[in-house]
Amino acid sequence: GDSVTQMEGPVTLSEEAFLTINCTYTATGYPSLFWYVQYPGEGLQLLLKATKADDKGSNKGFEATYRKETTSFHLEKGSVQVSDSAVYFCALLGSTGANSKLTFGKGITLSVRP
Amino acid sequence: GAVVSQHPSRVICKSGTSVKIECRSLDFQATTMFWYRQFPKQSLMLMATSNEGSKATYEQGVEKDKFLINHASLTLSTLTVTSAHPEDSSFYICSARIPGADTQYFGPGTRLTVL
Repeated sequence: GDSVTQMEGPVTLSEEAFLTINCTYTATGYPSLFWYVQYPGEGLQLLLKATKADDKGSNKGFEATYRKETTSFHLEKGSVQVSDSAVYFCALLGSTGANSKLTFGKGITLSVRP
Repeated sequence: GAVVSQHPSRVICKSGTSVKIECRSLDFQATTMFWYRQFPKQSLMLMATSNEGSKATYEQGVEKDKFLINHASLTLSTLTVTSAHPEDSSFYICSARIPGADTQYFGPGTRLTVL
């Protein structure tokens, strides 16, 4: 079945540091890939997405490129801010079925120090 | 953008009572909504997929008689936790998908505490 693997956390960075959060996936067909962010006490917000190989999703300074050859969708940001402190989830949407379901990674907590 | 609301945001109830959580899509019609449960510091666990006008599809291991889902309109799905027990305490999150699109939009979640 489909699966998403995220790097182990938590991650603590200083403000303005470079961020990389690794995400790899296993899926049949051609899934869509997503990054969601969850701020403390809140639900999930879509951060960015990519629907086909070599697509780059970007939002709020975050970027991720859909790499089919390495089955990866790593999240990057050049300069993090304290306000980026949150839990980040990588997810994929299987490409088959009207009720195709999101499969989430375990999530990783990012803390950014001033 | 697409907005999904949940009500209540927080509820505390006594063991044995039932609790209803509402999920509404505010600016779009959602033929499909999803209900998730999230344990502390863990990922989201899909409980069921709710389609408007039909019975929900429950994931393996989720008791459908305990977690009643109703999707009576294109903008509203409800989750009722029946005869709640302390082990049902959790963060419940719903999401909705715009027909034909692949993105799910999530509600802000409901924190349920059963005493």
